[in-house]
Amino acid sequence: QKEVEQDPGPLSVPEGAIVSLNCTYSNSAFQYFMWYRQYSRKGPELLMYTYSSGNKEDGRFTAQVDKSSKYISLFIRDSQPSDSATYLCAMRSTGGGNKLTFGTGTQLKVEL
Amino acid sequence: EAGVAQSPRYKIIEKRQSVAFWCNPISGHATLYWYQQILGQGPKLLIQFQNNGVVDDSQLPKDRFSAERLKGVDSTLKIQPAKLEDSAVYLCASSLIGGSTDTQYFGPGTRLTVL
Repeated sequence: QKEVEQDPGPLSVPEGAIVSLNCTYSNSAFQYFMWYRQYSRKGPELLMYTYSSGNKEDGRFTAQVDKSSKYISLFIRDSQPSDSATYLCAMRSTGGGNKLTFGTGTQLKVEL
Repeated sequence: EAGVAQSPRYKIIEKRQSVAFWCNPISGHATLYWYQQILGQGPKLLIQFQNNGVVDDSQLPKDRFSAERLKGVDSTLKIQPAKLEDSAVYLCASSLIGGSTDTQYFGPGTRLTVL
């Protein structure tokens, strides 16, 4: 079993839709949770960062962490064609330096 | 602020050949990471440097992969000899100090194809 599971998609939605992306994990030591966005032929860029459980909102993006269920989510409101990319969840534990464990990524396409 | 620079962007080689990738991190960043991203998978950490010292190389296939960061700034990753399964994007990232709350900034990657 992988430490981090993520549905690879692809996920196709119409412009303006609410998008829900999810990851599950098995390592209870994970305390820091991130979402990266990766455009085609580019490196990942940090989108959202959350410590422990709870919600965090930034513009059209909301990240949720439920440590009791080992489940994290990223919501995108009013999705735009420019949101079309692969979304990678990533996690790390305390005391583990800065080593990130990534999910496989979900490919999202927002259509006009 | 200039980002993480990598070269070359693309490389095609035949199996058993050798190849090297170069990375220049963001100025002032002490920590440098090399990741391997196989098509359809998330990045996997190969090696992490803190200045010119190795912090974690537990997932580096040391029989064929090597990396160095001699002056604590730029870094090279080498594969010798390459295998078909080494076909992947090799991403370099850097962060300020390498702590638990540090943000990693990624370069555009080098796409390696082994024929």
